[in-house]
Amino acid sequence: EPEVTQTPSHQVTQMGQEVILRCVPISNHLYFYWYRQILGQKVEFLVSFYNNEISEKSEIFDDQFSVERPDGSNFTLKIRSTKLEDSAMYFCASRSGIAETQYFGPGTRLLVL
Amino acid sequence: SQQGEEDPQALSIQEGENATMNCSYKTSINNLQWYRQNSGRGLVHLILIRSNEREKHSGRLRVTLDTSKKSSSLLITASRAADTASYFCATEEEYGNKLVFGAGTILRVKS
Repeated sequence: EPEVTQTPSHQVTQMGQEVILRCVPISNHLYFYWYRQILGQKVEFLVSFYNNEISEKSEIFDDQFSVERPDGSNFTLKIRSTKLEDSAMYFCASRSGIAETQYFGPGTRLLVL
Repeated sequence: SQQGEEDPQALSIQEGENATMNCSYKTSINNLQWYRQNSGRGLVHLILIRSNEREKHSGRLRVTLDTSKKSSSLLITASRAADTASYFCATEEEYGNKLVFGAGTILRVKS
């Protein structure tokens, strides 16, 4: 069964460093998402991406964040200058159409020191 | 309460018992989805129920949706120790795109 994959599974970085989190959505899906979950808290929406552009973003998704679909398979989240409060589990999700199931990847656990 | 709030926050039952978790939300929705998360792991999709549906079944799972009360319930029948996890409801708003998650119910099934 097709699934969303994410790399790396864990990332440790120093405050102020740039990180890129990678996702491979399910191949025939058209809508892509990033969410994050700070330890012990709710899953929060960051950004959605469709037709090679951002369709919606949350207040969390400020100028330090960017997303890209550099080729036909990868979908990346870049954090330009990480802060301690960016430590969280980051989930990528994809779906085939509006109002359909969103399938989540296993997550990347980011720790900013 | 916020969109997609579950209750109870935690539930502890014996293997073989049924577990019921509830979710309330505030806005009009396209659909409501339930996910399971084992400790520190990814989100596994369980079931999606659309706004024009009232009940759905999948294996040992039964989900109901009452749009007039803006609430949903997830019933797991004949629970197993492997069902121990956190369970989240997530709503997709009527003209929205993203999912809005609740805080989750932590289910512990004792063997």
